[in-house]
Amino acid sequence: RKEVEQDPGPFNVPEGATVAFNCTYSNSASQSFFWYRQDCRKEPKLLMSVYSSGNEDGRFTAQLNRASQYISLLIRDSKLSDSATYLCVVRVSNYQLIWGAGTKLIIKP
Amino acid sequence: GAGVSQSPRYKVAKRGQDVALRCDPISGHVSLFWYQQALGQGPEFLTYFQNEAQLDKSGLPSDRFFAERPEGSVSTLKIQRTQQEDSAVYLCASSLRGSGGTYEQYFGPGTRLTVT
Repeated sequence: RKEVEQDPGPFNVPEGATVAFNCTYSNSASQSFFWYRQDCRKEPKLLMSVYSSGNEDGRFTAQLNRASQYISLLIRDSKLSDSATYLCVVRVSNYQLIWGAGTKLIIKP
Repeated sequence: GAGVSQSPRYKVAKRGQDVALRCDPISGHVSLFWYQQALGQGPEFLTYFQNEAQLDKSGLPSDRFFAERPEGSVSTLKIQRTQQEDSAVYLCASSLRGSGGTYEQYFGPGTRLTVT
């Protein structure tokens, strides 16, 4: 079983729709949580950190459920430019990050 | 300002050849990481430097892989006697702080290694 699991997708979503991704992690001692975005043949870039109380950044909302070891990302009013792979990332030590394999999102006009 | 740069961007090596991949982190960044990303997978941790000290090399797949950061800035990942399973994108990331703090890792564009 992988330490961080995500549905690989692809999620095919019409422009303007709301889409949600989930991620589960196995290490209960995980310290911090993040969503990264990776465009095709590009490097990953931090989208947002995930806080226990839930947090929002514009059209993006992230939630963390420590009891269930579950992280989610919600994208509202999706744009064509949101098409990318979304990587769930968990920090398990002072420096080490464990990455999910990513969920591919395709926004269609 | 300048981000993390990596060279070469693409490398084709014949099986058995040695390769060296270079990473120039953001100036002043203490921490430097190397990751391996296979197609359709997330990055897998290889090794971690804090300044010139290699604090963790537990992710290096075999003793054919070697990394160094002798002056605490530029780093080189060397792969000896390359095998086909080494084909992947090698990503370098740097961050401002050392261990103990939450921080963002900034990634370079990666080196795409293909072993034929």
